[in-house]
This record gives sequence, C-alpha cells and structure tokens, in this order.
Amino acid sequence: GAVVSQHPSRVICKSGTSVKIECRSLDFQATTMFWYRQFPKQSLMLMATSNEGSKATYEQGVEKDKFLINHASLTLSTLTVTSAHPEDSSFYICSARYGGAPDTQYFGPGTRLTVL
Amino acid sequence: KNEVEQSPQNLTAQEGEFITINCSYSVGISALHWLQQHPGGGIVSLFMLSSGKKKHGRLIATINIQEKHSSLHITASHPRDSAVYICAVTTGGNQFYFGTGTSLTVIP
Repeated sequence: GAVVSQHPSRVICKSGTSVKIECRSLDFQATTMFWYRQFPKQSLMLMATSNEGSKATYEQGVEKDKFLINHASLTLSTLTVTSAHPEDSSFYICSARYGGAPDTQYFGPGTRLTVL
Repeated sequence: KNEVEQSPQNLTAQEGEFITINCSYSVGISALHWLQQHPGGGIVSLFMLSSGKKKHGRLIATINIQEKHSSLHITASHPRDSAVYICAVTTGGNQFYFGTGTSLTVIP
C-alpha cells in the first residue's frame, strides 16, 4: 500500500525558534498533501491543503505566515512552524493523495511538537 | 453541528466481546472511511465504503446511504484492538470531514 513518512517523529524546541516538519510519499507521487493538527483527545483539524508547485490553501483561522507550507515536489511537502510558542505544541499529521484515488488519503505517522 | 457524529465517545470492553461503533453524517458523500489511530498517533485506514458492507479479518464495516449511517463492528475483540477509531467522509472534493473518534479499550 501507499506509504507516507514524516520526519521528525518528535521534536522539542525553545520558544522563538522555527521547526521544519517533512512529509514524504515513499512509493507514489502525491498530487495533493494535507496538513492536520490534533489536540489531545480531539479529532484532526485541517490546517492547509497543498498542491505540488502551487501555493497552499489555508483553512480559516490558520496563520499562513506562521505555518509555512512548501510542496516543492510530488513526493515532498514541508511545514515550518515559525517563531514557535508553547501554544503551538501539538501533534501534526500530514496526508497525501494521488490523482488515481481522489477519495483516499494516506496518513503519515505524525510529528509531536513540544515548544518549551 | 459537526458533519460527522460518532458514538460512543469512549468504550471499554472485555476481551472477546463483540463491539459496535456508530457513525452518522449529515452531508452527501462520495465515500465513508473508518480509520484507526493507535496511542503512538499514526493513522491507518481500515475501510473505505460507498455502499453495502466490507469485511477484513475480525472487522466489518457497513453503510446505509439512505439513513446516512455507518457501523464498524469488531468480533472477538482483543487488547490489541485498543485504539481510537475515527469515522470520516469525503464529499467528492479535497476534504475529509472527521468524527471526533471513539476511544476503545479492550481489557484482557
């Protein structure tokens, strides 16, 4: 089956620093990648949708200058949390889909971000 | 109101019990998904349904399009089934609409 990886799986950083999270589709070309945020005991909240080679579409309430998304290739998307603060601590999950299966998203294992 | 509602929110079962998790949705869908999220956080897709019933091992998923309702059944439950089960629907566009999840604990 389609595999999506995320790196790092866990990161702890100091307040004010920037953190980059990578999402890779390992065995397929992802035309679209999605970034989600999940708070404890809550469901996934879509942050943004990115299509390869174009700007990401952010959901209402998500600051695009704070959460920078780059989808430079068909197998890689990155989320950079800029000037991170403790309230940005969360579980971030990416997913990817390809054109042949528009109703299916393949999820990455997630990245646990802790901002001190 | 959420587009997708799940029940129960939490479920504790004894090993071997038959388990049912319910999902209702309020939008027109192209597909319904059952996802499993383990404590480590990773999400696995269990089923994608647009009609009828699917079975995989001890897991069975059904959907009733007219009633906008789906159920996930686990037969002969086992402690390793302990996880959060999430119902999600797609409407033909990009987006998934997620339920809030059902946290299942199976006690040995």
